[in-house]
Amino acid sequence: QQNVQQSPESLIVPEGARTSLNCTFSDSASQYFWWYRQHSGKAPKALMSIFSNGEKEEGRFTIHLNKASLHFSLHIRDSQPSDSALYLCAVSITGNTRKLIFGLGTTLQVQP
Amino acid sequence: ETAVFQTPNYHVTQVGNEVSFNCKQTLGHDTMYWYKQDSKKLLKIMFSYNNKQLIVNETVPRRFSPQSSDKAHLNLRIKSVEPEDSAVYLCASSFGTGNYAEQFFGPGTRLTVL
Repeated sequence: QQNVQQSPESLIVPEGARTSLNCTFSDSASQYFWWYRQHSGKAPKALMSIFSNGEKEEGRFTIHLNKASLHFSLHIRDSQPSDSALYLCAVSITGNTRKLIFGLGTTLQVQP
Repeated sequence: ETAVFQTPNYHVTQVGNEVSFNCKQTLGHDTMYWYKQDSKKLLKIMFSYNNKQLIVNETVPRRFSPQSSDKAHLNLRIKSVEPEDSAVYLCASSFGTGNYAEQFFGPGTRLTVL
């Protein structure tokens, strides 16, 4: 049974800071890794995904994956107040049927 | 820009009543999902349909029953609600069932069971 854990549970950073969010998973055969962002009262929305070891950058956001250590992370450069939200990591399990297993989330607050 | 629509936004009901939630997507996707997001914000898959066929049926109480009339619509009925059913129910859709397919979520239906 896939287990996805996120850290920290919550984070407060000043505007302009670099923010790092972490996610660990238990199934070494996991294939695809996602970060979703959910603003308060809104729908979760996919930010980025990755499937091979290494880094992927899109604007201020960078995702890093290390399958050997069962860990992936999201880094936000120049954090903005609009980045304040719940960040959910998710891992897709193997097999023909697609299921996303989500972590409990990290609540990020960026203070102006 | 919303493309996954859910009704109602909120629903308050009493223990033992039956409720129904609706979801419609205008993205042309062939796969739709129901998730439950509890008070701790944990998002957990309940059901998934691909081309109107049930493909994921997690261990949920039998009082929950999904229904899909076509690829664009997915409903959820809960017979005889219990207090632990209080949560936000999120609908999502994707194109295909591959691991790479991004899921697009609706804004959710918040259910409160008194």
